[in-house]
Amino acid sequence: EAQVTQNPRYLITVTGKKLTVTCSQNMNHEYMSWYRQDPGLGLRQIYYSMNVEVTDKGDVPEGYKVSRKEKRNFPLILESPSPNQTSLYFCASSLVGGVNEQFFGPGTRLTVL
Amino acid sequence: AQKVTQAQTEISVVEKEDVTLDCVYETRDTTYYLFWYKQPPSGELVFLIRRNSFDEQNEISGRYSWNFQKSTSSFNFTITASQVVDSAVYFCALSESGGGSNYKLTFGKGTLLTVNP
Repeated sequence: EAQVTQNPRYLITVTGKKLTVTCSQNMNHEYMSWYRQDPGLGLRQIYYSMNVEVTDKGDVPEGYKVSRKEKRNFPLILESPSPNQTSLYFCASSLVGGVNEQFFGPGTRLTVL
Repeated sequence: AQKVTQAQTEISVVEKEDVTLDCVYETRDTTYYLFWYKQPPSGELVFLIRRNSFDEQNEISGRYSWNFQKSTSSFNFTITASQVVDSAVYFCALSESGGGSNYKLTFGKGTLLTVNP
């Protein structure tokens, strides 16, 4: 089944404790991206990747890191999480950026205390 | 900069009513793509439709239909004979194909549709 998976689905952590949210797609898509969804602010892009080893900042990259060592994986790293990073996070992928529809993972609900 | 406006924050209808969700967009590109996504109470984002800027034909898929009008920069979504299972937040989104756009989806704030039995 074609899908985007994310882990964990739910996470409660404390300020400053490094964490990684994994994202994997099995559709051989070139483009992958991370979004966060916040009440009243909608969905905003954090980082994106056009292909392996090609990543760039989105609209709200502060406090996040990403890597794209393999085509299928695009982990999101929070080196020192803070309460303002409490949010619902979505990973997405598409065949080609900007042209094709993006398929979203199930979301990761992160709470930083 | 690209922008998507969904002026209707919440809509409530009774089952079997028709309902139209409005979407107005702004872009300077001549080539762009419009999308609708559905987010049911379970939280996932489900792709519904993609439309490119050169194709203004309306589209119908079962009870769903979309009206794309470049003259008014609108891409409205109509559900005919609504059902309780249509209750969700619906997002309109825009993607530009030009350089520097990050190829990101710019989302509207969403419209919460509640269909009551």
